[in-house]
Amino acid sequence: AQKITQTQPGMFVQEKEAVTLDCTYDTSDPSYGLFWYKQPSSGEMIFLIYQGSYDQQNATEGRYSLNFQKARKSANLVISASQLGDSAMYFCAMRGVSGNTPLVFGKGTRLSVIA
Amino acid sequence: DAGVIQSPRHEVTEMGQEVTLRCKPISGHNSLFWYRQTMMRGLELLIYFNNNVPIDDSGMPEDRFSAKMPNASFSTLKIQPSEPRDSAVYFCASSLPLAGGSHNEQFFGPGTRLTVL
Repeated sequence: AQKITQTQPGMFVQEKEAVTLDCTYDTSDPSYGLFWYKQPSSGEMIFLIYQGSYDQQNATEGRYSLNFQKARKSANLVISASQLGDSAMYFCAMRGVSGNTPLVFGKGTRLSVIA
Repeated sequence: DAGVIQSPRHEVTEMGQEVTLRCKPISGHNSLFWYRQTMMRGLELLIYFNNNVPIDDSGMPEDRFSAKMPNASFSTLKIQPSEPRDSAVYFCASSLPLAGGSHNEQFFGPGTRLTVL
């Protein structure tokens, strides 16, 4: 079974500062994928970034980067130069890579960016 | 590309009524997922289909819930009879067939907010 743990129910960050959202996972699958999604107050789920378990480098997508530490089973999201529009819920998720399988989500972290 | 389309966006119904949620996945996507989001339980999988075939429905709460995918471009989630505890946001998501090295993110629809009174 797969499990995602997000220990920060809420986070505050000053505009233009960087913030790290924590995510730890547990799985017995040898290969897996890790995802981050953003859910603004409007409710839609927006894909942000992906990290494969065998990827040699940490994933980056614009202001988003993923700090992947496989031995520690952590996949923290780093948002650089925070903007007011980054205020949202952020979900960490994972799935195995053998087949098109569902995502298992964490409980989420609510990020508030302060001007 | 229109993205994943869900209807209705909002549904308010009375306990005991039948509710049908609809989803049109992105064209060419062969996997479709139904998730439910509540404050208490977060995001949880209800059922998913690969190539229109249900693969895992272990997340369906009980016999009151049923889902179908009659073709590659349409799926329904039905609740009959509905109960107040079914109130939640129901998301449909779709993804491409797996390919070597592909990460296959799931694209989510806007969700249906269901309120059962």
